[in-house]
Amino acid sequence: GQQVMQIPQYQHVQEGEDFTTYCNSSTTLSNIQWYKQRPGGHPVFLIQLVKSGEVKKQKRLTFQFGEAKKNSSLHITATQTTDVGTYFCAGPTGNQFYFGTGTSLTVIP
Amino acid sequence: DGGITQSPKYLFRKEGQNVTLSCEQNLNHDAMYWYRQDPGQGLRLIYYSQIVNDFQKGDIAEGYSVSREKKESFPLTVTSAQKNPTAFYLCASSIASSGRWYEQYFGPGTRLTVT
Repeated sequence: GQQVMQIPQYQHVQEGEDFTTYCNSSTTLSNIQWYKQRPGGHPVFLIQLVKSGEVKKQKRLTFQFGEAKKNSSLHITATQTTDVGTYFCAGPTGNQFYFGTGTSLTVIP
Repeated sequence: DGGITQSPKYLFRKEGQNVTLSCEQNLNHDAMYWYRQDPGQGLRLIYYSQIVNDFQKGDIAEGYSVSREKKESFPLTVTSAQKNPTAFYLCASSIASSGRWYEQYFGPGTRLTVT
């Protein structure tokens, strides 16, 4: 069946270091969305990418959508303690919507 | 104060009982969704609805039922047929357009424990 995998599952970084999470889908996605879930909280939408090869930036966050629309990445430059949480990619295939397995980020002050 | 409300935050039930989780939104969104999240895992889609009186099964609909009688409300019933009902249940809503999936706004979730 459809799978959306993210690596790594967990990442611990020192504050100020960079962080990247990779998202890979077994099928083509019509768009890719990224969400952040703080510990004990609910997912909050960050961004959506629609076009093949698209790159978008939000301050220290850079999002990419792969050329084949089957993979994506989120890169955070110079992490801060406020970046702590789990980052999920998500996207639709046909009439279904799939979330990735998530990457849990811990930032050590 | 616009948003999505889910109640209660914590719910405890005995095995064999049906339980209904509530989800209400005042964002005037047409589409609503139910997800299940298990510890350390991503969200899995249970059911979604893009318009009143219509809904579709997600990847893991077995053992669950929904209704969409009003635009603002999308209750989820966890039936006794659901083999592993203990989980964190999240409701979400979005604007809807045929064939397109837009950003989703999530409620605070209900943590269901069945013993």
